[in-house]
Amino acid sequence: DVKVTQSSRYLVKRTGEKVFLECVQDMDHENMFWYRQDPGLGLRLIYFSYDVKMKEKGDIPEGYSVSREKKERFSLILESASTNQTSMYLCASGRGGLGNEQFFGPGTRLTVL
Amino acid sequence: KQEVTQIPAALSVPEGENLVLNCSFTDSAIYNLQWFRQDPGKGLTSLLLIQSSQREQTSGRLNASLDKSSGRSTLYIAASQPGDSATYLCAVTQTSGSRLTFGEGTQLTVNP
Repeated sequence: DVKVTQSSRYLVKRTGEKVFLECVQDMDHENMFWYRQDPGLGLRLIYFSYDVKMKEKGDIPEGYSVSREKKERFSLILESASTNQTSMYLCASGRGGLGNEQFFGPGTRLTVL
Repeated sequence: KQEVTQIPAALSVPEGENLVLNCSFTDSAIYNLQWFRQDPGKGLTSLLLIQSSQREQTSGRLNASLDKSSGRSTLYIAASQPGDSATYLCAVTQTSGSRLTFGEGTQLTVNP
């Protein structure tokens, strides 16, 4: 079975802090994705990566950056957290190529005070 | 820009009923469509993936259909159970890439 893990289920941070969200997959997938989910807005793509050290902006990259130094790990970074980044963050992975199935982690509920 | 809509937003049914969830998309140039289940406060679990060349996929009590030309998909759940209570999301992949575009989901409650 594919397993995607995220470093924290719940996280509380203060405005202005630098926040790291980690995602690890164990299936040697090329593609990895970061989404945020908000009531009334659904899931929106923040960033994705199709290879080590490669990244592409999604629909809402502002205020975020990412890092992929190893194939199995994809990190989302909030350089200076703000209250409007309070959300559920979901990581996903999938095999390379077009349209392959995506597998999701359990999510991180981030609250920025 | 692709837009995905799911109707209804919420549905409550008695146990044992057969039900249909709807998903529509505005751009028919899709590569595939995926149905997910999400339990409260949890991540997404993939249920079914339908390629654009397919008409339907089945897994147990679930059957998903796809009509690409009309921009519609349905998820049929047979003999619903309280354990089916969750939010169901559909998402499409465009032919131009690997990104998923999601609908907002249908929140299903199956009452014992």
